[in-house]
Amino acid sequence: DTAVSQTPKYLVTQMGNDKSIKCEQNLGHDTMYWYKQDSKKFLKIMFSYNNKELIINETVPNRFSPKSPDKAHLNLHINSLELGDSAVYFCASSQNPPGVLDTQYFGPGTRLTVL
Amino acid sequence: SQKIEQNSEALNIQEGKTATLTCNYTNYSPAYLQWYRQDPGRGPVFLLLIRENEKEKRKERLKVTFDTTLKQSLFHITASQPADSATYLCALDMHQAGTALIFGKGTTLSVSS
Repeated sequence: DTAVSQTPKYLVTQMGNDKSIKCEQNLGHDTMYWYKQDSKKFLKIMFSYNNKELIINETVPNRFSPKSPDKAHLNLHINSLELGDSAVYFCASSQNPPGVLDTQYFGPGTRLTVL
Repeated sequence: SQKIEQNSEALNIQEGKTATLTCNYTNYSPAYLQWYRQDPGRGPVFLLLIRENEKEKRKERLKVTFDTTLKQSLFHITASQPADSATYLCALDMHQAGTALIFGKGTTLSVSS
């Protein structure tokens, strides 16, 4: 009965590879997010989708491409991985879109290590 | 430039004492401020939210204040317990369409018995 789940939990890969992280929420929320938490612990928004529509696209390299096949799923595909992509990636969801008062529910995170 | 700072990276206190964590921001005008707890290896969990026109909010042993003049929020845990040990994140909510929460770096609280 996990609210927001992510797979995989850990991802270790070589530079230059392409990888995907998957996220699913069973809360019935309309909005989903991807955040990156780097080694300095800053949690930074990357993308947000509301009802499968992209509404936040922060300054992120275009090697990162989110995809929302439906409201309950938001995947993150990363091409040509670089060392600097190593971080913990969190998926989150909320009922309301960003900018409308609401709280966010986070997944357990995916620790990506690029060698 | 716009900044959000939680001015202690780490805070160590004895069990039973009150922990006070600080969140300061500059050049923002948030409508709300949210506090989250993050345990090692886990995602943040929402704790409390305070509006700009509220001075104080309480929930069990937690208390949050919000001073828009000082541009500061204080987060208190009274009668702290070792189970309160975690990283606490503040987040600014600008309440503007299409604007995401802006998170601070967090303060790691350790409560020793």
